Amino acid sequence: KNQVEQSPQSLIILEGKNCTLQCNYTVSPFSNLRWYKQDTGRGPVSLTIMTFSENTKSNGRYTATLDADTKQSSLHITASQLSDSASYICVVSDRGSTLGRLYFGRGTQLTVWP
Amino acid sequence: EADIYQTPRYLVIGTGKKITLECSQTMGHDKMYWYQQDPGMELHLIHYSYGVNSTEKGDLSSESTVSRIRTEHFPLTLESARPSHTSQYLCASSEYPPSGGDLHSYNEQFFGPGTRLTVL
Repeated sequence: KNQVEQSPQSLIILEGKNCTLQCNYTVSPFSNLRWYKQDTGRGPVSLTIMTFSENTKSNGRYTATLDADTKQSSLHITASQLSDSASYICVVSDRGSTLGRLYFGRGTQLTVWP
Repeated sequence: EADIYQTPRYLVIGTGKKITLECSQTMGHDKMYWYQQDPGMELHLIHYSYGVNSTEKGDLSSESTVSRIRTEHFPLTLESARPSHTSQYLCASSEYPPSGGDLHSYNEQFFGPGTRLTVL
């Protein structure tokens, strides 16, 4: 069964600190992995995308890594800001369907305190 | 911000009522999707469409129905709402890759803001 597991479930950090969120997946055959940011009451917005040939991708203060051998990914947030408070969702796409089926993790709820 | 819109944003309604959740996108995308999301849980695909006159059921069984008469419009209807239908409903769209393009980088789905439905 294709699955995406994220940890931790929730995280509280102080403004200005760094943090790292984890994602493990069993989706096969693997196509790509995305990290989405979902603000409360909003739809998810894509932060990064990595295919199997990429092992790191940055978007401003967000840096995602991918180890396709161990099927693990991480999202590192540098110098956190209050606006980073949101749910961060790991999403994996399989290569086996023309639909581009997405498998969603439950997200890590990040809270940044002043 | 993606050009995909959902209305209403919030809806509180009584049991047994018929409701339609609207979703429109101005990006000309052929593929559209409906997801259901409960608090703290992952998104579940309930319906999708490859294009006009195409509708398919997703992974999660749903009593809702959808239609795709126009490319830009993908409404979801519940004939008789029940408290178990209380949830957040998210609409998304994506495009097919151009000829020769990389299929696996073109399946990015752009999400609307969602409709928070509460059935009393």
